[in-house]
Amino acid sequence: DTAVSQTPKYLVTQMGNDKSIKCEQNLGHDTMYWYKQDSKKFLKIMFSYNNKELIINETVPNRFSPKSPDKAHLNLHINSLELGDSAVYFCASSPRGVAATQYFGPGTRLLVL
Amino acid sequence: GENVEQHPSTLSVQEGDSAVIKCTYSDSASNYFPWYKQELGKGPQLIIDIRSNVGEKKDQRIAVTLNKTAKHFSLHITETQPEDSAVYFCAASRSFQKLVFGTGTRLLVSP
Repeated sequence: DTAVSQTPKYLVTQMGNDKSIKCEQNLGHDTMYWYKQDSKKFLKIMFSYNNKELIINETVPNRFSPKSPDKAHLNLHINSLELGDSAVYFCASSPRGVAATQYFGPGTRLLVL
Repeated sequence: GENVEQHPSTLSVQEGDSAVIKCTYSDSASNYFPWYKQELGKGPQLIIDIRSNVGEKKDQRIAVTLNKTAKHFSLHITETQPEDSAVYFCAASRSFQKLVFGTGTRLLVSP
Protein backbone atom coordinates (compact mmCIF):
# COMPACT_ATOMS: atom_id res chain seq x y z
CA ASP A 1 0.00 0.00 0.00
CA THR A 2 1.37 3.38 -1.03
CA ALA A 3 1.19 5.80 1.89
CA VAL A 4 1.44 9.04 -0.09
CA SER A 5 0.71 8.79 -3.80
CA GLN A 6 0.90 11.36 -6.57
CA THR A 7 -0.37 11.41 -10.13
CA PRO A 8 0.93 11.80 -12.68
CA LYS A 9 4.53 10.72 -12.15
CA TYR A 10 5.70 12.59 -15.25
CA LEU A 11 4.16 15.63 -16.88
CA VAL A 12 5.47 17.20 -20.07
CA THR A 13 3.58 20.22 -21.34
CA GLN A 14 3.85 23.43 -23.33
CA MET A 15 4.30 26.90 -21.91
CA GLY A 16 1.01 28.61 -21.21
CA ASN A 17 -0.93 25.43 -20.49
CA ASP A 18 -2.82 24.70 -17.27
CA LYS A 19 -2.13 21.45 -15.45
CA SER A 20 -3.01 19.70 -12.19
CA ILE A 21 -1.15 17.29 -9.94
CA LYS A 22 -3.07 15.10 -7.53
CA CYS A 23 -1.99 13.79 -4.14
CA GLU A 24 -3.60 11.31 -1.81
CA GLN A 25 -2.48 9.94 1.54
CA ASN A 26 -3.92 6.89 3.31
CA LEU A 27 -2.09 7.47 6.62
CA GLY A 28 -4.93 9.29 8.33
CA HIS A 29 -2.80 12.43 8.67
CA ASP A 30 -4.31 15.85 9.21
CA THR A 31 -1.63 17.91 7.51
CA MET A 32 -0.47 17.87 3.89
CA TYR A 33 2.18 19.82 2.01
CA TRP A 34 3.45 20.69 -1.44
CA TYR A 35 7.18 21.11 -1.99
CA LYS A 36 9.14 22.13 -5.08
CA GLN A 37 12.56 20.61 -5.76
CA ASP A 38 14.60 22.46 -8.34
CA SER A 39 17.37 21.18 -10.59
CA LYS A 40 19.95 21.71 -7.83
CA LYS A 41 17.89 19.46 -5.53
CA PHE A 42 16.87 22.33 -3.26
CA LEU A 43 13.61 21.49 -1.43
CA LYS A 44 11.30 24.37 -0.63
CA ILE A 45 7.84 24.30 0.88
CA MET A 46 5.07 25.89 -1.15
CA PHE A 47 1.86 25.22 0.77
CA SER A 48 0.53 23.37 3.76
CA TYR A 49 -3.02 22.42 4.66
CA ASN A 50 -4.25 21.22 8.04
CA ASN A 51 -7.61 19.51 7.95
CA LYS A 52 -8.50 21.24 4.66
CA GLU A 53 -7.45 24.67 5.94
CA LEU A 54 -4.51 26.54 4.38
CA ILE A 55 -1.89 27.18 7.07
CA ILE A 56 1.28 27.87 5.10
CA ASN A 57 1.41 29.85 1.89
CA GLU A 58 4.94 30.69 0.90
CA THR A 59 5.90 33.30 -1.65
CA VAL A 60 4.54 31.39 -4.59
CA PRO A 61 3.11 32.96 -7.77
CA ASN A 62 -0.67 33.01 -7.66
CA ARG A 63 -0.65 30.86 -10.78
CA PHE A 64 -0.26 28.02 -8.27
CA SER A 65 -3.44 27.14 -6.44
CA PRO A 66 -3.76 24.25 -3.99
CA LYS A 67 -7.10 22.61 -3.32
CA SER A 68 -7.97 20.20 -0.53
CA PRO A 69 -11.36 18.52 -1.07
CA ASP A 70 -10.86 16.46 2.09
CA LYS A 71 -8.03 15.85 4.51
CA ALA A 72 -6.73 12.86 2.54
CA HIS A 73 -6.28 14.81 -0.69
CA LEU A 74 -4.30 17.88 -1.66
CA ASN A 75 -4.16 18.81 -5.32
CA LEU A 76 -2.03 21.45 -7.01
CA HIS A 77 -3.28 23.38 -10.01
CA ILE A 78 -0.88 25.47 -12.07
CA ASN A 79 -2.11 28.05 -14.55
CA SER A 80 -0.19 29.53 -17.47
CA LEU A 81 2.84 27.30 -17.04
CA GLU A 82 6.27 28.89 -17.48
CA LEU A 83 9.67 27.37 -18.26
CA GLY A 84 10.80 28.10 -14.69
CA ASP A 85 8.06 25.88 -13.31
CA SER A 86 9.98 22.84 -14.51
CA ALA A 87 10.91 20.93 -11.36
CA VAL A 88 9.94 17.94 -9.26
CA TYR A 89 6.91 18.55 -7.07
CA PHE A 90 6.53 16.51 -3.91
CA CYS A 91 3.46 16.03 -1.80
CA ALA A 92 3.93 15.13 1.86
CA SER A 93 1.78 14.52 4.91
CA SER A 94 2.30 14.53 8.67
CA PRO A 95 0.26 13.37 11.64
CA ARG A 96 -0.23 16.29 13.94
CA GLY A 97 0.38 19.66 12.43
CA VAL A 98 3.53 21.23 11.16
CA ALA A 99 6.90 20.02 12.49
CA ALA A 100 5.87 16.43 12.99
CA THR A 101 7.47 13.71 10.89
CA GLN A 102 6.64 14.27 7.26
CA TYR A 103 6.11 11.44 4.79
CA PHE A 104 6.82 12.23 1.16
CA GLY A 105 5.24 10.98 -2.03
CA PRO A 106 7.29 9.77 -5.02
CA GLY A 107 7.21 13.13 -6.80
CA THR A 108 5.84 14.49 -10.06
CA ARG A 109 8.45 15.48 -12.62
CA LEU A 110 7.15 18.49 -14.52
CA LEU A 111 8.84 19.63 -17.71
CA VAL A 112 7.59 22.77 -19.39
CA LEU A 113 8.70 23.18 -23.02
CA GLY B 1 13.23 33.13 9.46
CA GLU B 2 15.14 29.90 9.81
CA ASN B 3 18.16 29.28 7.61
CA VAL B 4 19.88 25.89 7.41
CA GLU B 5 23.34 25.39 5.93
CA GLN B 6 24.60 21.92 5.06
CA HIS B 7 28.13 20.67 4.31
CA PRO B 8 29.65 19.09 2.35
CA SER B 9 27.65 19.21 -0.85
CA THR B 10 29.35 16.04 -2.08
CA LEU B 11 31.00 13.28 -0.08
CA SER B 12 32.78 10.25 -1.50
CA VAL B 13 33.84 7.40 0.77
CA GLN B 14 34.98 3.83 0.45
CA GLU B 15 32.71 1.03 1.57
CA GLY B 16 33.19 0.43 5.28
CA ASP B 17 34.32 3.98 6.02
CA SER B 18 32.34 6.44 8.12
CA ALA B 19 30.55 9.48 6.69
CA VAL B 20 29.70 12.69 8.52
CA ILE B 21 27.37 15.42 7.26
CA LYS B 22 27.04 18.68 9.17
CA CYS B 23 24.31 21.29 9.38
CA THR B 24 23.99 24.61 11.12
CA TYR B 25 20.77 26.47 11.80
CA SER B 26 20.03 30.09 12.63
CA ASP B 27 16.84 30.06 14.74
CA SER B 28 17.68 29.29 18.37
CA ALA B 29 14.01 28.40 18.95
CA SER B 30 14.18 25.46 16.51
CA ASN B 31 13.53 22.22 18.36
CA TYR B 32 13.07 19.50 15.75
CA PHE B 33 15.84 18.24 13.45
CA PRO B 34 15.08 15.43 11.00
CA TRP B 35 17.34 13.85 8.41
CA TYR B 36 16.01 12.59 5.10
CA LYS B 37 17.52 10.27 2.51
CA GLN B 38 16.53 10.70 -1.12
CA GLU B 39 17.38 7.94 -3.57
CA LEU B 40 17.41 8.57 -7.29
CA GLY B 41 13.92 9.09 -8.66
CA LYS B 42 12.23 8.82 -5.27
CA GLY B 43 10.85 11.11 -2.61
CA PRO B 44 12.80 11.94 0.57
CA GLN B 45 12.47 9.37 3.36
CA LEU B 46 12.99 10.10 7.03
CA ILE B 47 15.95 8.13 8.41
CA ILE B 48 16.38 9.64 11.85
CA ASP B 49 15.32 12.71 13.79
CA ILE B 50 16.22 14.41 17.05
CA ARG B 51 14.47 16.89 19.29
CA SER B 52 16.15 19.64 21.22
CA ASN B 53 15.87 17.93 24.60
CA VAL B 54 18.28 15.19 23.43
CA GLY B 55 21.96 15.51 22.53
CA GLU B 56 22.42 12.28 20.60
CA LYS B 57 20.33 9.54 19.05
CA LYS B 58 21.39 6.28 17.41
CA ASP B 59 19.69 3.78 15.16
CA GLN B 60 21.95 0.92 14.11
CA ARG B 61 24.59 2.40 11.78
CA ILE B 62 23.27 5.96 11.84
CA ALA B 63 23.46 8.54 14.60
CA VAL B 64 22.64 12.19 14.95
CA THR B 65 24.24 14.64 17.38
CA LEU B 66 22.90 18.04 18.36
CA ASN B 67 24.79 20.97 19.85
CA LYS B 68 22.19 23.58 20.78
CA THR B 69 24.74 26.10 22.00
CA ALA B 70 26.57 26.11 18.69
CA LYS B 71 23.35 25.56 16.74
CA HIS B 72 24.64 22.67 14.72
CA PHE B 73 23.73 19.04 14.25
CA SER B 74 25.41 16.20 12.41
CA LEU B 75 24.58 12.88 10.80
CA HIS B 76 27.03 10.03 11.27
CA ILE B 77 26.89 6.88 9.17
CA THR B 78 29.26 4.08 10.16
CA GLU B 79 30.32 1.05 8.10
CA THR B 80 28.96 2.62 4.93
CA GLN B 81 27.54 0.38 2.21
CA PRO B 82 26.92 1.07 -1.49
CA GLU B 83 23.19 1.24 -0.79
CA ASP B 84 23.83 4.24 1.44
CA SER B 85 24.60 6.21 -1.73
CA ALA B 86 21.92 8.92 -2.01
CA VAL B 87 21.28 12.58 -1.35
CA TYR B 88 20.87 13.39 2.34
CA PHE B 89 18.97 16.42 3.63
CA CYS B 90 18.94 17.91 7.08
CA ALA B 91 16.06 20.12 8.21
CA ALA B 92 15.06 22.24 11.17
CA SER B 93 11.87 23.70 12.55
CA ARG B 94 10.35 25.13 15.68
CA SER B 95 7.02 23.91 17.03
CA PHE B 96 4.17 24.22 14.56
CA GLN B 97 6.34 25.95 11.99
CA LYS B 98 7.48 24.78 8.59
CA LEU B 99 10.46 22.52 8.03
CA VAL B 100 13.41 24.35 6.46
CA PHE B 101 15.72 22.04 4.55
CA GLY B 102 19.45 22.20 4.00
CA THR B 103 20.84 22.17 0.49
CA GLY B 104 21.59 18.44 0.46
CA THR B 105 24.70 16.24 0.46
CA ARG B 106 25.31 13.75 -2.29
CA LEU B 107 26.94 10.71 -0.69
CA LEU B 108 28.71 8.21 -2.91
CA VAL B 109 29.93 4.96 -1.39
CA SER B 110 32.35 3.08 -3.61
CA PRO B 111 32.69 -0.71 -3.28
